[in-house]
Amino acid sequence: DGGITQSPKYLFRKEGQNVTLSCEQNLNHDAMYWYRQDPGQGLRLIYYSQIVNDFQKGDIAEGYSVSREKKESFPLTVTSAQKNPTAFYLCASSPLRNPGANVLTFGAGSRLTVL
Amino acid sequence: GENVEQHPSTLSVQEGDSAVIKCTYSDSASNYFPWYKQELGKRPQLIIDIRSNVGEKKDQRIAVTLNKTAKHFSLHITETQPEDSAVYFCAASPNAGGTSYGKLTFGQGTILTVHP
Repeated sequence: DGGITQSPKYLFRKEGQNVTLSCEQNLNHDAMYWYRQDPGQGLRLIYYSQIVNDFQKGDIAEGYSVSREKKESFPLTVTSAQKNPTAFYLCASSPLRNPGANVLTFGAGSRLTVL
Repeated sequence: GENVEQHPSTLSVQEGDSAVIKCTYSDSASNYFPWYKQELGKRPQLIIDIRSNVGEKKDQRIAVTLNKTAKHFSLHITETQPEDSAVYFCAASPNAGGTSYGKLTFGQGTILTVHP
């Protein structure tokens, strides 16, 4: 699926529960990103990582956590502290050096619905 | 941090007409400006990008122009076709080192509808 795989595709959660979204890439990209997509608001950056064992907060990191224990994997946990977690979540990866520096390859997305 | 504004939010054109989408950015350190297309139910995909050392780039029916002085860039689609109907996102990123490297800030998106 284009080298970057997200799972699950659909996820339902009860209020108060944490959930983890998986993102795996086999593109040997250095950087990985999590974006949240809401209608009319574009893609907003949650967290990103340029290297294993290091990551940076994006614009809307509150209520989310990530880890980067392996180059290929960048899971996102949506915690109960996230006030409005129902959204479409997109994972992406990119090289940091040319050729193709900063060109994002996206996963197919995970749609989270809080019941 | 960077702020990217995109206009219009929706754009409706007749097949064969041209479409123009405009974006402005705030951070003068930004020097990489890609455009992504997201078809309904699919993932965003890069359609064209421009780096700050050029003012214009063209790829068949698609072109992007950049005005660094005014901090704005635009996507131009000529001879539009129904399959051009999608959501288009602009973005901006610094291309230097540091922790912001590779961090894309996206605009709000434009829903383009091309009527046959």
